[in-house]
Amino acid sequence: DSGVTQTPKHLITATGQRVTLRCSPRSGDLSVYWYQQSLDQGLQFLIQYYNGEERAKGNILERFSAQQFPDLHSELNLSSLELGDSALYFCASSALGSMNTEAFFGQGTRLTVV
Amino acid sequence: DQQVKQNSPSLSVQEGRISILNCDYTNSMFDYFLWYKKYPAEGPTFLISISSIKDKNEDGRFTVFLNKSAKHLSLHIVPSQPGDSAVYFCAARNTGTASKLTFGTGTRLQVTL
Repeated sequence: DSGVTQTPKHLITATGQRVTLRCSPRSGDLSVYWYQQSLDQGLQFLIQYYNGEERAKGNILERFSAQQFPDLHSELNLSSLELGDSALYFCASSALGSMNTEAFFGQGTRLTVV
Repeated sequence: DQQVKQNSPSLSVQEGRISILNCDYTNSMFDYFLWYKKYPAEGPTFLISISSIKDKNEDGRFTVFLNKSAKHLSLHIVPSQPGDSAVYFCAARNTGTASKLTFGTGTRLQVTL
């Protein structure tokens, strides 16, 4: 158990819909990172929040947005969903602002768009 | 643009033998490399890392080698055990963008009895 909790574990939704993925970081961790893993692909960095502020942005689509709340949990919002958005979405957390050996991943949310 | 490549999607090794997983990168700005292991239905877990100022780092049965001139790194597992069966991801980071890791596509290792 990494201490990072992601909900839900599985999500099936239709094209055009909007979903929210939730991540609770490890206790005391200030940074949350979101990654997307499509079929047979490596993990692609989407976005990072540090203590409530956006810290870094990767290849995140405009239809996607995220935020980190005062209690440090984070939500990733995916809207106008397309079939190609089907993927595993991972959240990771770390105490500081960089992805280092002390970053821990959650179990992921498997999103299926039909 | 795949900056971190794992060209072998899968590898099968007998228990007790050496497993060698390879990773190539193209971005010369990468200065820190990590290996993650991933079991089904779980998130990736950190395994071992190496800084670009070193050419080898060892942790128990796991050793990572870095060849900067060839932009190549490898993970050696000796001896391989059935519990090592998992997908292994190579990841790289550069100091300028320490917030993100660039991952390879993974190699599925199967350790057979």
